[in-house]
Formats: sequence, structure tokens, C-alpha cells
Amino acid sequence: GENVEQHPSTLSVQEGDSAVIKCTYSDSASNYFPWYKQELGKGPQLIIDIRSNVGEKKDQRIAVTLNKTAKHFSLHITETQPEDSAVYFCAASINNDMRFGAGTRLTVKP
Amino acid sequence: DVKVTQSSRYLVKRTGEKVFLECVQDMDHENMFWYRQDPGLGLRLIYFSYDVKMKEKGDIPEGYSVSREKKERFSLILESASTNQTSMYLCASAQFVRSSPLHFGNGTRLTVT
Repeated sequence: GENVEQHPSTLSVQEGDSAVIKCTYSDSASNYFPWYKQELGKGPQLIIDIRSNVGEKKDQRIAVTLNKTAKHFSLHITETQPEDSAVYFCAASINNDMRFGAGTRLTVKP
Repeated sequence: DVKVTQSSRYLVKRTGEKVFLECVQDMDHENMFWYRQDPGLGLRLIYFSYDVKMKEKGDIPEGYSVSREKKERFSLILESASTNQTSMYLCASAQFVRSSPLHFGNGTRLTVT
């Protein structure tokens, strides 16, 4: 089955800096790659997703890139703000099987 | 906006008790899921259901069962709770099974003593 690895497990940045979280997946047939943000006391919420026929997608300060050949995808957050502090999960999906990374705890220091 | 509601935020149960975790979604989604979240392990799928009365095992179904009698409601059952089932449980729904975002509830933190 699919295996998703996520790095780093913790990330601390200064407000205004960029943050990058990387994930790799094992199954080349995976075709859908969502990113979720989980704030304290809440369930994960989708923040951006990308499908295998696209290399990059942007939504304001967040972007995701996908390299199908290397089987990795990344989340980029620019101009970070304290409210970006949360746990971020990547996932890779094939058919009805969505596999999650272990999560990255991002801390943005004011 | 999709709303997925889990009936309890916190539960404390004793070893051996039968435990019911309830989840309701309001968007008429066909597919519902139960995940377990543990530090360093991410989210692991326990069971999912793609239709009323239909269910499929996920990665860690042992010690759990599920019930889906109505489209909007998906219940997770711990037949005989054990301390290693102390965890955060997340319910989710999705419009499609393939390539579709999951909508999560806020979770139930279960402690088994």
C-alpha cells in the first residue's frame, strides 16, 4: 500500500519568513494530494490540494508543488503569520485509500 | 459549509466497557470515515463506509466495529475498551471516495483507564 513520509516533524520560523514542508509517497499511482491544517482542539481542515495532472497550485500565501517523477510534493507558506501556527498533514490518495504523513508542527514566532 | 459533528469532545471510560462514538454529517455525503490520531503516527484509518449498511476495514480495525444505519450517521464501537485505545478519534465525510477532500469533525479524545 501507499506510504507517506513527511518532514520536518517540527518547524519554527520568524513571522514574515517562509515555511516549507515536504512529503514523499511510494505508490506512483497516487493521483490526489491534499494538505490539511489542524489547529488546537479542532479537526484537520483542507487548506489546498493538487491532482496528479498539475505541477503547482497557489492560493494566496500558500502553494503546493508536485514532482511525480521523484514522488514528492511540498507545501510552501510565504509571509508567515502567528495564526499559521498549527499542525500540518500531507496526504496521498489512490482510489479509496488516503494515506497521511505523520504531521509537522509549525510555530510562527511574532 | 459541510458540518461533521462528533457527539463528545472528551470521554473517560473504564477497561472492558463498551464505548460508542457518534458522528453526524449534514451534507448528504455517501462516504464516512473513522480515523485514529496518535502523536508521531499521523491519522490511521479504522473503518470507512461508502453507503448505508456498507462498511470496509481500514488499516487498524482490530478491537473496533462500526454501524451505519442512516446516511448521515456513522458510529464507532469499541466492544471492550482497552488502555491502548486511548487516543483522539476523528470522523470524516467525503462526497466521493476517489480524489475527494475529507471533511473532519473536531474529534473525540477518549481515555480508557
